[in-house]
Amino acid sequence: AQSVTQLGSHVSVSEGALVLLRCNYSSSVPPYLFWYVQYPNQGLQLLLKYTTGATLVKGINGFEAEFKKSETSFHLTKPSAHMSDAAEYFCAVRYSGNTPLVFGKGTRLSVIA
Amino acid sequence: DSGVTQTPKHLITATGQRVTLRCSPRSGDLSVYWYQQSLDQGLQFLIQYYNGEERAKGNILERFSAQQFPDLHSELNLSSLELGDSALYFCASSEGGQGVIQYFGAGTRLSVL
Repeated sequence: AQSVTQLGSHVSVSEGALVLLRCNYSSSVPPYLFWYVQYPNQGLQLLLKYTTGATLVKGINGFEAEFKKSETSFHLTKPSAHMSDAAEYFCAVRYSGNTPLVFGKGTRLSVIA
Repeated sequence: DSGVTQTPKHLITATGQRVTLRCSPRSGDLSVYWYQQSLDQGLQFLIQYYNGEERAKGNILERFSAQQFPDLHSELNLSSLELGDSALYFCASSEGGQGVIQYFGAGTRLSVL
């Protein structure tokens, strides 16, 4: 069965510090990988996605993620955290178009001034 | 704005009751997905419709049902409600065929008292 593991339910960083949110997936075939962000009382917004091609993908708000097949990982990074980055972040996977997403449990990011 | 509209935003009801959640997908999107987000279970896929037909089922209870109408809007019906059904219910849509990205609505928060 497909699964996604996000290490750390809560990550706290200082403003201006590196953000690293970890995501590992289980798969025997190359998946489509996604990071979504959820701000309080809002829906899920797509940050970035990996489908095929370049393994380093850039998303909105300065975030990027790298697909590492050998490590079955898709960690999310941002060089410098901003207060507005405080939110819940979800890693998700799907194995073909038009199939449901399988989500990780989410990581709540806090940014300290 | 994702283009996916969910109504109502909030719903408060009593145990044993029945409610209907509505979702209008983005213009042109043929697939609709329903997800449930709860504190203990996280984000879980419930059911998918594609152009009016059920495409995939996830962890959907027998008390829950859904349909997609000819105009492509979808409704999720929850009956014999229990306290544990209190959650945020999201609808997402994607293009037909190989639509990779799912766009999420803002969700309906259901409180069962």
